Amino acid sequence: DAKTTQPNSMESNEEEPVHLPCNHSTISGTDYIHWYRQLPSQGPEYVIHGLTSNVNNRMASLAIAEDRKSSTLILHRATLRDAAVYYCILFMNTGFQKLVFGTGTRLLVSP
Amino acid sequence: ETGVTQTPRHLVMGMTNKKSLKCEQHLGHNAMYWYKQSAKKPLELMFVYSLEERVENNSVPSRFSPECPNSSHLFLHLHTLQPEDSALYLCASSQGLAGYEQFFGPGTRLTVL
Repeated sequence: DAKTTQPNSMESNEEEPVHLPCNHSTISGTDYIHWYRQLPSQGPEYVIHGLTSNVNNRMASLAIAEDRKSSTLILHRATLRDAAVYYCILFMNTGFQKLVFGTGTRLLVSP
Repeated sequence: ETGVTQTPRHLVMGMTNKKSLKCEQHLGHNAMYWYKQSAKKPLELMFVYSLEERVENNSVPSRFSPECPNSSHLFLHLHTLQPEDSALYLCASSQGLAGYEQFFGPGTRLTVL
């Protein structure tokens, strides 16, 4: 399974943007970059995914480096509800692939 | 509310008990999953079902027995568990296997005494 590397934790203030980095230097051409998050006492929740181009949705933006060896999840205005563990996962879109969760980044948001 | 429900939300059982965890998805998905999340460890995939056929058994001990009677329901039957099996058990579903996002239930917090 291709590996990702994320910081253990990050802190932010409410209403400020948050940039969560992820390194995936061994990514293959068919790997999509998926992000999930897990709020306290809940199951993981899908956030966003992309292949090569930057992606936006109602929850976040995903910026993918040109060489695809790294990506950044962007929360444009952090809220207290965004405090969670964020997982960056490489996931192929063909055949059966396991969604392999690492330890993720714990985001702390202060008022 | 993700469209995936799990019951019970909390379960305490002795090592000699037999219990079952239930998962139901209301999303019309074809694939369902069981994950285990132990304290301070990443989520671990346990079982995967696609169109009611098991496609993955991730080296899970036989004291965990999954059952998928139809595409909307998934069970995890538990018997003679050990205290180290105490964990959060999460169910998920997806439209298919290949790269689709997974929708997770809230989990069942299991404590084995």
